[in-house]
Amino acid sequence: AQKVTQAQTEISVVEKEDVTLDCVYETRDTTYYLFWYKQPPSGELVFLIRRNSFDEQNEISGRYSWNFQKSTSSFNFTITASQVVDSAVYFCALSDAGGTSYGKLTFGQGTILTVHP
Amino acid sequence: EAQVTQNPRYLITVTGKKLTVTCSQNMNHEYMSWYRQDPGLGLRQIYYSMNVEVTDKGDVPEGYKVSRKEKRNFPLILESPSPNQTSLYFCASSARQGSGYTFGSGTRLTVV
Repeated sequence: AQKVTQAQTEISVVEKEDVTLDCVYETRDTTYYLFWYKQPPSGELVFLIRRNSFDEQNEISGRYSWNFQKSTSSFNFTITASQVVDSAVYFCALSDAGGTSYGKLTFGQGTILTVHP
Repeated sequence: EAQVTQNPRYLITVTGKKLTVTCSQNMNHEYMSWYRQDPGLGLRQIYYSMNVEVTDKGDVPEGYKVSRKEKRNFPLILESPSPNQTSLYFCASSARQGSGYTFGSGTRLTVV
């Protein structure tokens, strides 16, 4: 069975601090996909990134960066120079590439990030 | 604009009164799914559909029904809602496995 663990329930930082959100996953599949979603206070789910299991390159997008390490089954997300608008719930999710789950997303519990001015 | 549309956004109902939450996507996606979000539990899959007339249970299907008569629509039916179904519901669609889902704006359901 697939599992995603986000051990940090809540994180509070002051604006301009860097913050890393941890994500650890479990799967028996050799091919899978990892995602991060952002849920701002308005409630919608905003897609941030997708990474497949064969691509361990780290990715940077503006102030956001992702560190995928297959050896430790982790897919951590770092926000550099955080801003108040980054305050949201962040979800890490895992999907297999086939089999019987047909692309089901297995979500972590979410991390509530609060950025104070 | 490519989107998944859910209605209603908010709903308060009473125990036992049948309700339907509609979901429609305009991207010709094959895969559609329903999730519920509860504090501390993340999002959990209720039902999913791989194509028209093909649906299957997710992790928490009890108390829910779905249908997929057309590719674009995937309604969620609560035949006899109970207070433990009070939750935030999301519909999502995907072009294929692993491509990531586009989520609707969510439906906040309260059953009293």
